[in-house]
Amino acid sequence: AQKVTQAQTEISVVEKEDVTLDCVYETRDTTYYLFWYKQPPSGELVFLIRRNSFDEQNEISGRYSWNFQKSTSSFNFTITASQVVDSAVYFCALSGEMGDYGGSQGNLIFGKGTKLSVKP
Amino acid sequence: DAGVTQSPTHLIKTRGQQVTLRCSPKSGHDTVSWYQQALGQGPQFIFQYYEEEERQRGNFPDRFSGHQFPNYSSELNVNALLLGDSALYLCASSGGGQGAVDTQYFGPGTRLTVL
Repeated sequence: AQKVTQAQTEISVVEKEDVTLDCVYETRDTTYYLFWYKQPPSGELVFLIRRNSFDEQNEISGRYSWNFQKSTSSFNFTITASQVVDSAVYFCALSGEMGDYGGSQGNLIFGKGTKLSVKP
Repeated sequence: DAGVTQSPTHLIKTRGQQVTLRCSPKSGHDTVSWYQQALGQGPQFIFQYYEEEERQRGNFPDRFSGHQFPNYSSELNVNALLLGDSALYLCASSGGGQGAVDTQYFGPGTRLTVL
């Protein structure tokens, strides 16, 4: 079975601090996809990044960076120099391939989310 | 380029009633997925529609049904509402392509309250 664990329920930091959100996943698929989404108080899930299992290269986008390690089944997300606007709930999600189906991927398995509060 | 849209924004129903939620996918997308998000939890997959057929389904009872129209828009229907159905219902759309695995983009959600 597929599972995503985000052990940190809530994190509170002061603006300009760096913060890392942890994500550990379980899957038996050899090919799978990992995602991070941000959910501000408005409720809409905003896509941040997608990583394929066969691509272990880490990625940096501005103040955001992601560390994918297959050996530990982790896909951690770091925000550098956090800002108040980063305050939100962050979700890590996992998806496998659809097999022989046409069209796009199957269902996303989400973790329970980490609520990040950045105080000025 | 419009993103995923959902209607209504909020809805209040009483137990036993039926509800229909609507979703229009992002332009160019042909696959629609529905998720239920209870308060303080991550979204849970309900089902996915592609080519007007339910392609995959999560662990939800038959009270939850859906439909996809030729223009790719979709409806989620819930019959015999229970208090436990109170949640944020999220629609996600993704692009088509044989064998492609596409990112799902979410709408703003419909907040359903069952009294």
